[in-house]
Amino acid sequence: DVKVTQSSRYLVKRTGEKVFLECVQDMDHENMFWYRQDPGLGLRLIYFSYDVKMKEKGDIPEGYSVSREKKERFSLILESASTNQTSMYLCASSFRDRANTEAFFGQGTRLTVV
Amino acid sequence: KQEVTQIPAALSVPEGENLVLNCSFTDSAIYNLQWFRQDPGKGLTSLLLIQSSQREQTSGRLNASLDKSSGRSTLYIAASQPGDSATYLCAVRGGSSNTGKLIFGQGTTLQVKP
Repeated sequence: DVKVTQSSRYLVKRTGEKVFLECVQDMDHENMFWYRQDPGLGLRLIYFSYDVKMKEKGDIPEGYSVSREKKERFSLILESASTNQTSMYLCASSFRDRANTEAFFGQGTRLTVV
Repeated sequence: KQEVTQIPAALSVPEGENLVLNCSFTDSAIYNLQWFRQDPGKGLTSLLLIQSSQREQTSGRLNASLDKSSGRSTLYIAASQPGDSATYLCAVRGGSSNTGKLIFGQGTTLQVKP
C-alpha cells in the first residue's frame, strides 16, 4: 500500500517560531510537492522538488524554504512563522517521467500560528 | 501559464441522480489529468488518472473523460449516494511551461441528499 506520511496532523506554533513540516514517502518517487490549502483559494503550490537537493519555487514561496537531503523525505520550513501562514499544508509525491502513474497525497497538517 | 477551472463550485443533488463535474484547462500540452476526492479536513484521495493519450477511464460508478483539444475533462458519477458527498478536485500535470508540477482547479463541493 503506497504511502505519503506527514509528521503531524495538527500543529500550534507561536509567531516568530521556526517551524518544520516533514513529509516521507515510501514509493521511490522523484517528485515531491508542498501545497497549502485555504478556503476560497484552493491548493497553491509552495515548492516542488524533482530530485534530491533539487527544488523549484511554486506560486507562493515567500516565507518558506525546503530541504530534500534524501529521496524519501521533503521538509517544509517556515523560517519565522506568522499568523497568515495558518493553513492546511499538504504534501504529495509522484514519479517524474511516468505519465501513467498517479500522484499521492499525505493526510495533511493543520497548522495554526498564534 | 497553465490554469485550471472547475464548474460548478458547489452542487447539491438528491440521492440516485447521475451527475457531471467539469474541469477545463488552458494549455492542452498536458502529460495527464487526475481527479481527486477530499473529505473535510482530510488529505486528497486519487480517484482516476487519464493519460494525455487516453479519452476516458472508469472505476466503478465513476467515469472520467478527457478532450485535450478543447481543454476539458468531465467526471461522471452514476447513481450518486450520500457517501459521495465531498469536494472533487481535478489536477493537470504538465503543459508547455511545466516540468511535472500538478496544477489544481478550485474544486467542486458535492452534497448528495438522502
